[in-house]
Amino acid sequence: GAVVSQHPSWVICKSGTSVKIECRSLDFQATTMFWYRQFPKQSLMLMATSNEGSKATYEQGVEKDKFLINHASLTLSTLTVTSAHPEDSSFYICSESGITEAFFGQGTRLTVV
Amino acid sequence: AQSVAQPEDQVNVAEGNPLTVKCTYSVSGNPYLFWYVQYPNRGLQFLLKYITGDNLVKGSYGFEAEFNKSQTSFHLKKPSALVSDSALYFCAVREDGDDKIIFGKGTRLHILP
Repeated sequence: GAVVSQHPSWVICKSGTSVKIECRSLDFQATTMFWYRQFPKQSLMLMATSNEGSKATYEQGVEKDKFLINHASLTLSTLTVTSAHPEDSSFYICSESGITEAFFGQGTRLTVV
Repeated sequence: AQSVAQPEDQVNVAEGNPLTVKCTYSVSGNPYLFWYVQYPNRGLQFLLKYITGDNLVKGSYGFEAEFNKSQTSFHLKKPSALVSDSALYFCAVREDGDDKIIFGKGTRLHILP
């Protein structure tokens, strides 16, 4: 299957700062990638669909100014959590959509202190 | 819109016994169905999928799942559980023609030695 590399695997930041998470498709040109958020002991919540060369599509209830998504190339999508607050602490996972199944990055554990 | 239900938050099975993790789904068109496994602080690993063809699908690590269209179910099974199978399991659905994958809430599987 496809290989998706997500970086960093964990990050701790101060409240009010911004954090960028990268998601790279290593062996597949991904026109579409997805960003999920996972709360402790809960399922994955789809945040947005990242489209190469165009604006991301956000799910209802997700603040687009808070979670900035950029998909400037076929191999890289980034999620920037702006002005992070403790309630943004979570596990963020990206994925790329293959012909049938999706392939996931390793996830990023974000802790805002 | 598609949805997935995993009725059990947790399943406990003794090592060596067969295991079943339940999943039902709802889509308006043809479903693509998946099972993923997640270990702590890691991304999701693909186990198996049903797209078309045989209702019994075999996947990684000895897991299999049976697609039942009349019951709209896709239960995950393994004939003999291992302690190392202990993890969080997600059932997911994608509707034919749609890139989005929607996840169930997850079922935590505990294999007791």
